[in-house]
Amino acid sequence: DQQVKQNSPSLSVQEGRISILNCDYTNSMFDYFLWYKKYPAEGPTFLISISSIKDKNEDGRFTVFLNKSAKHLSLHIVPSQPGDSAVYFCAASGTYKYIFGTGTRLKVLA
Amino acid sequence: GAVVSQHPSWVICKSGTSVKIECRSLDFQATTMFWYRQFPKQSLMLMATSNEGSKATYEQGVEKDKFLINHASLTLSTLTVTSAHPEDSSFYICSARSVTHNQPQHFGDGTRLSIL
Repeated sequence: DQQVKQNSPSLSVQEGRISILNCDYTNSMFDYFLWYKKYPAEGPTFLISISSIKDKNEDGRFTVFLNKSAKHLSLHIVPSQPGDSAVYFCAASGTYKYIFGTGTRLKVLA
Repeated sequence: GAVVSQHPSWVICKSGTSVKIECRSLDFQATTMFWYRQFPKQSLMLMATSNEGSKATYEQGVEKDKFLINHASLTLSTLTVTSAHPEDSSFYICSARSVTHNQPQHFGDGTRLSIL
């Protein structure tokens, strides 16, 4: 039972345009959501998070949106840069554990 | 930002060997550390939660006698893969979280374990 889903395994975006990565979850008890970026053979790097009391959090080029009624969150990267090319994982937490999605591979084309 | 150091980054060893992986939080105290395993092109799967000074909590399906976890201090947790076999080959990643509520987990760079 996959509680956190990233339905798009890959995404290609032109440099300078917006990248939108999506994540859906099923457990309404999740109250903290995060996005991590991962390069091959490295550990994930924390990008941005949002608690369930908010619907938007912005940090520089990264914005996370949370739609609790739809149990959906998204990560917007604008403008996208070639260095953003990586695998992006969303994670959800309701206790101390994180449940990760399967990741979306973002490729930003120069 | 917070730094988590994981060592070694790559291990190749013979079947039957036990392998120890260290995870250190370098600039914060981590009462809780987590051990994950990642198979190629799959998500990070939580194996166990390591609490300083107490026994680790293992996820369903993870053999506690196979994957020994020790969290002796607020900055160090170790995972020992005992009597490793080829099916244990994987990418193991630790993370640590500070005592402050709702602070994100910070991850080490992972250990690629290859059992011949």
